[in-house]
Amino acid sequence: GENVEQHPSTLSVQEGDSAVIKCTYSDSASNYFPWYKQELGKGPQLIIDIRSNVGEKKDQRIAVTLNKTAKHFSLHITETQPEDSAVYFCAASGLREYGNKLVFGAGTILRVKS
Amino acid sequence: NAGVTQTPKFRILKIGQSMTLQCAQDMNHNYMYWYRQDPGMGLKLIYYSVGAGITDKGEVPNGYNVSRSTTEDFPLRLELAAPSQTSVYFCASRVQGSSDTQYFGPGTRLTVL
Repeated sequence: GENVEQHPSTLSVQEGDSAVIKCTYSDSASNYFPWYKQELGKGPQLIIDIRSNVGEKKDQRIAVTLNKTAKHFSLHITETQPEDSAVYFCAASGLREYGNKLVFGAGTILRVKS
Repeated sequence: NAGVTQTPKFRILKIGQSMTLQCAQDMNHNYMYWYRQDPGMGLKLIYYSVGAGITDKGEVPNGYNVSRSTTEDFPLRLELAAPSQTSVYFCASRVQGSSDTQYFGPGTRLTVL
């Protein structure tokens, strides 16, 4: 089955700097890659996603890139702000998995220092 | 819409006790999921359902049971609670169709002592 690895496990950046989180996946049939943000005491919330027929997607300060050949995808946050501090999870799924099961990475704790 | 709701928010169980974690969604989503989140780990799928009356096992189903009698509700049952089931449990739902987005509830923090 699918396996997703996420790095780094913790990331500290200065306010205004950029943050990059990377994930690799194992199943070449996976075709959907969402990123979730989880704030303390809350459930994960989708912030951006990308499908395997697209190489890059942007939404304001957030972007995701996908390299299908290397089987890795990354989250880029520019001009970080204190409210970006949270745990970020990547995930992968494919149509082969009945029910569109998501396989999650272990998470990255992002701290934005002001 | 309230989205995905979960009750209770917190619960402490003794070893061997049973309980049901409630999950409901008001978005008319076909797909519903139960995940557990352990410290420093990603979410692991326990069970999922693709519609009323249809459920299937995920990665870590042992010690749990589910039912799906309505589109809205997807309760998770713990029988004979064990310390290994101490975790935060999240319910999620997704609409059938082109969107793969899963919407998560706020979670239930369960401690088994």
